[in-house]
Amino acid sequence: EVQLVESGGGLVQPGGSLRLSCAASGFTFSSYTMNWIRQAPGKGLEWVSTISSRSNIYYADSVKGRFTISRDNAENSLYLQMNSLRAEDTAVYYCVRDAVGSHFDYWGQGTLVAVSS
Amino acid sequence: DVVMTQSPLSLPVTLGQPASISCRSSQSLVYSDGDTYLNWFQQRPGQSPRRLIYKVSNRDSGVPDRFSGSGSGTDFTLKISRVEAEDVGVYYCMQGTHWITFGQGTRLEIK
Repeated sequence: EVQLVESGGGLVQPGGSLRLSCAASGFTFSSYTMNWIRQAPGKGLEWVSTISSRSNIYYADSVKGRFTISRDNAENSLYLQMNSLRAEDTAVYYCVRDAVGSHFDYWGQGTLVAVSS
Repeated sequence: DVVMTQSPLSLPVTLGQPASISCRSSQSLVYSDGDTYLNWFQQRPGQSPRRLIYKVSNRDSGVPDRFSGSGSGTDFTLKISRVEAEDVGVYYCMQGTHWITFGQGTRLEIK
């Protein structure tokens, strides 16, 4: 069974940093493209970042230069380093797998990041 | 950026009746490989999103056959043949042809 479990969310002040983790199991992690998608409270879904199985990396313009996605295939883990956080980064962050040939087939339960003073 | 526009944004439906959600893109979603990367997701209250349909009309494993997807080019539709109580939630379309964008979401409720 595919499982994606996020952790690392919490309350942080504007300008602060946070590192999110996603522990993957039930599939060959190294073979799959992985993503972070976020959802602000009461709002819709927003793609944040993607890392392919070959570690090609892509970011939304809204986070480029502030967030860094990475993966550790030996640990079956995905990460999101978030720096210079802003109030508008407040959201639930989901770890999401890409299927082969399509997008976003499995989602984690999400971790809440709240940026506030 | 490709804009995805869903309608309606709110959809009250009587149990057992059909429901239909429209999703229109600002550009054709046909990719150079011939596929159309249009997905539908369901988000029940308090839950993570769940993919229902991928590449316009392919139902994911475990998705009831009352859900169906159709469309081409820029116009797409998600249909529920007979709405059940467990279908309450927000439905999102998403395009993956011109990078990734989501629709605003359609909230389905029971009348």
